[in-house]
Formats: sequence, structure tokens, C-alpha cells
Amino acid sequence: QVQLQESGPGLVKPSETLSLTCTVSGGSINNHYWSWIRQPPGKGLEWIGYIFNDGGSPKYNPSLKSRLTMSVDTSKTQFSLKLSSVTAADTAVYYCARGHGAGYLDYWGQGTLVTVSS
Amino acid sequence: DIVMTQTPLSSPVTLGQPASISCRSSQSLVYSDGNTYLSWLQQRPGQPPRLLFYKTSNRFSGVPDRFSASGAGTDFTLEIRRVEAEDVGVYYCMQSIQFPRTFGQGTKLEIK
Repeated sequence: QVQLQESGPGLVKPSETLSLTCTVSGGSINNHYWSWIRQPPGKGLEWIGYIFNDGGSPKYNPSLKSRLTMSVDTSKTQFSLKLSSVTAADTAVYYCARGHGAGYLDYWGQGTLVTVSS
Repeated sequence: DIVMTQTPLSSPVTLGQPASISCRSSQSLVYSDGNTYLSWLQQRPGQPPRLLFYKTSNRFSGVPDRFSASGAGTDFTLEIRRVEAEDVGVYYCMQSIQFPRTFGQGTKLEIK
């Protein structure tokens, strides 16, 4: 059974960089689109972006693209998200998920709440 | 961006009764390969989303057969034949034909 687990600080100061890592277990990291989605408290889902296992040509949501960096470390079966210059609007539960070529997201992590506050 | 519009936003249902959720996209989700890139997810309270269906009507592993999904082009439907208590939660449709991927606002299914 594929499992994903997010990790990273739960509190980030405004203007700083939010950094999260997702560790994949129980399955190969190859041939999948490793994705990030977020959900502000009490609100709906927002697709952040994905990176393929070879690390090339990540796809980012244009609304976040200028502040986003994604990377993948296949040796550790991990992929990561960095979001710079955060504001309170970036406060959300951040999920990592496995994506397929058809775009659907079949396995999700439990999510981690990141709060942006001084 | 493709806008996904779900109706209703809230659906109170009696246990054992059917439920239906609609999702409409602002553009056709039919790709040149003939597939329609619409998926449905369920989010139970306090849980991450869970995939129910992909490419419109393909049931994901472990999803009970009381759930069904259908649709074409821009109009899609998720149906639950007889609602059970464990079905309470928020249901989302998601398009994956275009970037950025976008979700519907969510439909909250609750028991009357």
C-alpha cells in the first residue's frame, strides 16, 4: 500500500519561506507525478503543482508560480515544496499526493497544517 | 482556468436514500485521445481527500459499488444508491485536462 507523509514546520513567519517534504513508502517513486494541494481552513482544495520523478519540467499553478520551487530526491523517495514570501493567505493544510498521467490523484498524505504568523 | 461548478453545495439525505451531486465544467473535459478527464474525491471529516472515480466513471480500488459516476463533455454526476453514515463528508470534482488543475467548490453531504 502506497503511503505518503508530509513533514515540515507548522509555523512560518510572514515573508519567510515555507518548506515541506513528502516521503513516499510502499511503492515506487518512478513514473508518477508527485503533487501538492492545499486547503485553507474551512475552505476547498487548491492545486499547487506537481513534479515528475525525473525532476524535469515541473508544473506550477500560475497563481503561485513566481514563489514556488519543487524538487524530487528519488534516492530518498521524497519530494519537496518551497513557497517563498509567504503571507497569512498561505495558511492552509498542505497535502502531498501521487498523480497519474491522466491527472487523477490516487494516494494522498494525511496533510500538515502550516500557519503563517509572526 | 477551467471553472468547476458543483450543485448542490449542501445535501441533507436520509440514511438509505439516494443522493446525487452534479458538477459542470466551463469547458469540455474531453481530450483528443477520447478520454474525459474528470475525477471525484470524497473528504470525510478530519481526513484527507480520497479518490472515488477517475476519467469520469472508472471506480478506484476499494470504492463501494453503491457509488457510481457518469457524464460527458461538461456535465457530470456522482450518485450514491443508498447513503450510509460513513458517506458523510465533502465531495469534490476535479478536472485534469488543463493546467492549472481545478476543483469544484465541494458538496457537503450530511444526514438528515
